[in-house]
Amino acid sequence: DIVMTQSPDSLAVSLGERTTFNCKSSQSVLHSSNNKNYIAWYQQRPGHPPKLLIYWASTRESGVPDRFSGGGSGTDFTLTISSLQPEDVAVYYCQQYYSTPTFGQGTKVEIK
Amino acid sequence: EVQLVESGGGLVQPGGSLRLSCAVSGLTVTTSHMSWVRQAPGKGLEWISVFHGNGNTYYADSVKGRFTISRDSSQNTVFLQMNSLRDEDTAVYYCVRMPTGYPNWFGPWGQGALVTVSS
Repeated sequence: DIVMTQSPDSLAVSLGERTTFNCKSSQSVLHSSNNKNYIAWYQQRPGHPPKLLIYWASTRESGVPDRFSGGGSGTDFTLTISSLQPEDVAVYYCQQYYSTPTFGQGTKVEIK
Repeated sequence: EVQLVESGGGLVQPGGSLRLSCAVSGLTVTTSHMSWVRQAPGKGLEWISVFHGNGNTYYADSVKGRFTISRDSSQNTVFLQMNSLRDEDTAVYYCVRMPTGYPNWFGPWGQGALVTVSS
């Protein structure tokens, strides 16, 4: 199985600040047939199920605020929040669907 | 709007069995790709099974041979039969749609059902 590793495990960010966190796959998840990266990102607020934010590494799900953006290719990916809001306190997970789905261990975002 | 509502969770002894249900509205289970993902207390996410729209089923190695996914078109419901339960199966089990097939991203998610395996 492809192993997903996220960094950092947690971070504290000031409201309105820009933050980026990372996700690395143990092998490339870029499919040569369609030139797409098989990566999704989720947000899990305390006491709630995960919520899909981004798929194909950079495509925002309908209704997701545009302060969330995804990037990267191959084995290295990022999720950026351009201006942190109070409701963004959550754990963020990356997931690959290039093969049997696997998730990263999560990055916990708190308010500084 | 798609809604997924899990039920059937609870406390079970090691070696026991439990069946989870996922009542689905807003889409038809027989033409959708329905999956189960679990989350152990305080831990990350683990995909465990999918019932593809074409009738094929897939399982994670951790549950293969012990868990069975099924669906009932008359109830528009997906089930997860869990046998030979172990302590490490303790988790919240989420019913989730895979929008365009398998493997795929997951969404939307149900609220989850807690399964506790303990003597």
